[in-house]
Amino acid sequence: AQKITQTQPGMFVQEKEAVTLDCTYDTSDQSYGLFWYKQPSSGEMIFLIYQGSYDEQNATEGRYSLNFQKARKSANLVISASQLGDSAMYFCAMRVPDSNYQLIWGAGTKLIIKP
Amino acid sequence: GAGVSQTPSNKVTEKGKYVELRCDPISGHTALYWYRQSLGQGPEFLIYFQGTGAADDSGLPNDRFFAVRPEGSVSTLKIQRTERGDSAVYLCASSPTSGIGYTQYFGPGTRLTVL
Repeated sequence: AQKITQTQPGMFVQEKEAVTLDCTYDTSDQSYGLFWYKQPSSGEMIFLIYQGSYDEQNATEGRYSLNFQKARKSANLVISASQLGDSAMYFCAMRVPDSNYQLIWGAGTKLIIKP
Repeated sequence: GAGVSQTPSNKVTEKGKYVELRCDPISGHTALYWYRQSLGQGPEFLIYFQGTGAADDSGLPNDRFFAVRPEGSVSTLKIQRTERGDSAVYLCASSPTSGIGYTQYFGPGTRLTVL
């Protein structure tokens, strides 16, 4: 079965510190994509970063990087130098061909940045 | 360019009424997805269109839900005989086509409240 697990319901982090949000996944497909989205209180789902299962290097996008450990089936999001505007829900999602490329979502982690 | 738009942003209706939710995808995107998000949870897949046809409607909860995309662009999600349990945020996403690496871009959502 395809599944995404995010074990941290909520996190508090001091501004300017780095933060790691955990994500583990389960799939029998060899080809899959992993995504992270940010959802602020306004509600819009904002794409952050993508990692393909065959990508050899960890994806990076500005302050966001994805710590991809294929053997452990983990795809943790790392935010460097956190800012107050990073406070939001963060969702890990997976896309597999077997599920018609729909996104399979984790339950999310609520991140609060403290000043 | 313009992102995904959804109308209305908020819809309040009474139990038993019919509602239509509209999604206007990014121009040129052939794949369109509808998701439903309940409070405090990750999105839940409803239906996927590739072009004009519903390629996968396995996520629709029952036959009160129906969606169309007659010209391969704008899509309408239709809910008949609404129930209080239908209250949620309905998210629409589009991507250039289906496939592992194609990012889904989301609209701002329609918050449906059934009284």
